[in-house]
Amino acid sequence: AQKVTQAQTEISVVEKEDVTLDCVYETRDTTYYLFWYKQPPSGELVFLIRRNSFDEQNEISGRYSWNFQKSTSSFNFTITASQVVDSAVYFCALLDSNYQLIWGAGTKLIIKP
Amino acid sequence: GAVVSQHPSWVICKSGTSVKIECRSLDFQATTMFWYRQFPKQSLMLMATSNEGSKATYEQGVEKDKFLINHASLTLSTLTVTSAHPEDSSFYICSASGPPQGGKNIQYFGAGTRLSVL
Repeated sequence: AQKVTQAQTEISVVEKEDVTLDCVYETRDTTYYLFWYKQPPSGELVFLIRRNSFDEQNEISGRYSWNFQKSTSSFNFTITASQVVDSAVYFCALLDSNYQLIWGAGTKLIIKP
Repeated sequence: GAVVSQHPSWVICKSGTSVKIECRSLDFQATTMFWYRQFPKQSLMLMATSNEGSKATYEQGVEKDKFLINHASLTLSTLTVTSAHPEDSSFYICSASGPPQGGKNIQYFGAGTRLSVL
């Protein structure tokens, strides 16, 4: 079965702290894609990153970085020097063979000023 | 690029009326569109997948006659909630994928429609 687990329901940190959001996935596919989306209070889902299963290089985009570890089936997301505008619900997702997204439950991130 | 427009953003209607929600890809061809429903503080629940020019594929438990989906062109899909009732109140989100924006692998989302049925 394919499954995405985001064990952290809610995380609260003070602005400028670094924070890591965990994502663990299960799949039998050898080729797969993993995603992170951000959902701010407005509701719109914003695409952040797509990672191919063959590419285990970590990726950095500004204050955002992603750590993909096939050995532990994890795709964790780190925000460095967090800002209030980072407050949102973050979803990790796995693309199945039907091109449908298998969603994690989401992690609500609260950044306090 | 990869902009998906969804309208209306908020709709309030009386029980028994039908509501149509539009989802448009503004700068790419959406060969596939998805409709989701999201309950408060929960993840997204896929309702149906539609490919341009063909009938939508509904997920188990989703009533086809209740939630009519039309994907008539490569840039437009509509979801009609027929004879809406209070239990249909929810946040409905569409997404689209297609070339050249990542092909089938990346879904870009509309802003969502909050439906309140009185």
